Amino acid sequence: GAVVSQHPSRVICKSGTSVKIECRSLDFQATTMFWYRQFPKQSLMLMATSNEGSKATYEQGVEKDKFLINHASLTLSTLTVTSAHPEDSSFYICSGAGPSSTDTQYFGPGTRLTVL
Amino acid sequence: AQSVTQPDIHITVSEGASLELRCNYSYGATPYLFWYVQSPGQGLQLLLKYFSGDTLVQGIKGFEAEFKRSQSSFNLRKPSVHWSDAAEYFCAVGPNQGGKLIFGQGTELSVKP
Repeated sequence: GAVVSQHPSRVICKSGTSVKIECRSLDFQATTMFWYRQFPKQSLMLMATSNEGSKATYEQGVEKDKFLINHASLTLSTLTVTSAHPEDSSFYICSGAGPSSTDTQYFGPGTRLTVL
Repeated sequence: AQSVTQPDIHITVSEGASLELRCNYSYGATPYLFWYVQSPGQGLQLLLKYFSGDTLVQGIKGFEAEFKRSQSSFNLRKPSVHWSDAAEYFCAVGPNQGGKLIFGQGTELSVKP
């Protein structure tokens, strides 16, 4: 299957700083990318959907000014957690899909964010 | 409302025993159904998916799932579990293969030697 990478795999930061997480589709063009958040022992919750070249669509309850998503190219989307706080500590997973509704969605390995 | 329910939070089976993980869904449109597996600290790996056709679908690693429309269920099965199957399993529903997914709560599988 296709490969999606995330960088970094783990990040620890101080409260109040901003953190950027990259999501790359390595061997396909991801027209759409999704960002999920997963708390320990819980399910994945969709945060936002981004289409290349467009503004991201955020799910209800997700602060768009806190979680900045950029999808500038067909192979790269970034999630920036601004002014991070301990409650933002979580596992963030991205996924990408091609332009067709029949294209499978592929998931990245996730990024563990710890805010001290 | 659209939702996915996995009634079992944690299941323990003996190695070599059969396995069934339950999944029920509520979805307004014709659903695409998926089962994913997640090892600790890892991303998701697709085990299998269903949209139409034969209601019994085969996946990777010896897994299969059966779609039952009347019961709004998509249960995952494996005839003989291996220790390496210990992981978290997620059922998900979506509008197509590449659309946004709604995940169940997950079922943690432990395998006894």
